[in-house]
Amino acid sequence: NAGVTQTPKFQVLKTGQSMTLQCAQDMNHEYMSWYRQDPGMGLRLIHYSVGAGITDQGEVPNGYNVSRSTTEDFPLRLLSAAPSQTSVYFCASSYGRGSSGYTFGSGTRLTVV
Amino acid sequence: AQSVTQLDSQVPVFEEAPVELRCNYSSSVSVYLFWYVQYPNQGLQLLLKYLSGSTLVKGINGFEAEFNKSQTSFHLRKPSVHISDTAEYFCAVKGNQGGSEKLVFGKGTKLTVNP
Repeated sequence: NAGVTQTPKFQVLKTGQSMTLQCAQDMNHEYMSWYRQDPGMGLRLIHYSVGAGITDQGEVPNGYNVSRSTTEDFPLRLLSAAPSQTSVYFCASSYGRGSSGYTFGSGTRLTVV
Repeated sequence: AQSVTQLDSQVPVFEEAPVELRCNYSSSVSVYLFWYVQYPNQGLQLLLKYLSGSTLVKGINGFEAEFNKSQTSFHLRKPSVHISDTAEYFCAVKGNQGGSEKLVFGKGTKLTVNP
């Protein structure tokens, strides 16, 4: 049982480049979300999805796109990377039935130079 | 909307001492409350959660938390800490209404256990 799998674990981008952070879960969870973690800021919600074909913005969505074509996958796209997007990104999922906790991936550490 | 305030950004303690990590929340609806732990260079792991019922919740690794509705608090405690408890701890909240799945985190408390 793999849980939530994020790839890559590390990435260095140049300003202006685009890339996709991958997230996959094998628990048939309805709800998936992306957070970014910055020192002293905790985790801030970027985008989330309550099911296949349904996505919505979180607290800090600018510069990021998401799609949810399947229950298992929830990729995060950086359209034109900026140094302010240097961060650790976490994907999380849950059954989406209120009381369930989230399962987190191990994170992607992104540096934009 | 919900918000979370973790009152201490850093808490240093000596091994075998008790510790309390403080968390206050704000919400216009009833909530579920969570504590997560993050060890260095790892993801987040669920320590415990409050859903309903008994206000004292026990979690993994000897941690417990008490929900206080009147004070809107959910403080985390451990009677005797170990070096291995050194980590960052996050309090989180989400509304318990149907369809309310967004989990809001506090800024975290770094617990350092010294020998």
